[in-house]
Amino acid sequence: GEDVEQSLFLSVREGDSSVINCTYTDSSSTYLYWYKQEPGAGLQLLTYIFSNMDMKQDQRLTVLLNKKDKHLSLRIADTQTGDSAIYFCAESNSNTGGFKTIFGAGTRLFVKA
Amino acid sequence: GAVVSQHPSRVICKSGTSVKIECRSLDFQATTMFWYRQFPKQSLMLMATSNEGSKATYEQGVEKDKFLINHASLTLSTLTVTSAHPEDSSFYICSALSGLISNQPQHFGDGTRLSIL
Repeated sequence: GEDVEQSLFLSVREGDSSVINCTYTDSSSTYLYWYKQEPGAGLQLLTYIFSNMDMKQDQRLTVLLNKKDKHLSLRIADTQTGDSAIYFCAESNSNTGGFKTIFGAGTRLFVKA
Repeated sequence: GAVVSQHPSRVICKSGTSVKIECRSLDFQATTMFWYRQFPKQSLMLMATSNEGSKATYEQGVEKDKFLINHASLTLSTLTVTSAHPEDSSFYICSALSGLISNQPQHFGDGTRLSIL
């Protein structure tokens, strides 16, 4: 079945850039998402990208998609302590009825002051 | 942007109690809502998919008699954990889709932390 994998931890210094990577197996993926979860909270949609796009930029966030390698990354520029959270990569496609979203295990980002 | 409200945010109750969690879409009609369970330091586990006006579709291994889902309107879905036991303690999160168009991003509630004593 479909699978989404991402590294579990990332530690960066405040002000540096963070890059969180994700790989997925479903070549039919249509949409790919990045969600952020702060402690004790639900998931907040950060950004998403269509599978026919290579890159999407939104303020400090840059999403890169390599469809050939099924690799997705999220770059956070000028990382702040408030960016410390768990980041989930997710994908959905029309083959799963269009509504089911597959999530990765989440990458825990630590930002050191 | 789309807002999903989940209530209550935290519940502590005795074993054997039934607990109801509400999920509301505040500024859009949610034809589909999802219920997830999240164990500590783990990803979300989809429990069931709830469509307005029809029976929920449960994932394999999820007891439908234990976790009752009602999606009576386009803005409200409820999850009732019946006769809860300590092993049901977890973080429950709902999400909603804003339309009939497929592949739209899900919008999540803030979650409910359920603790059964």
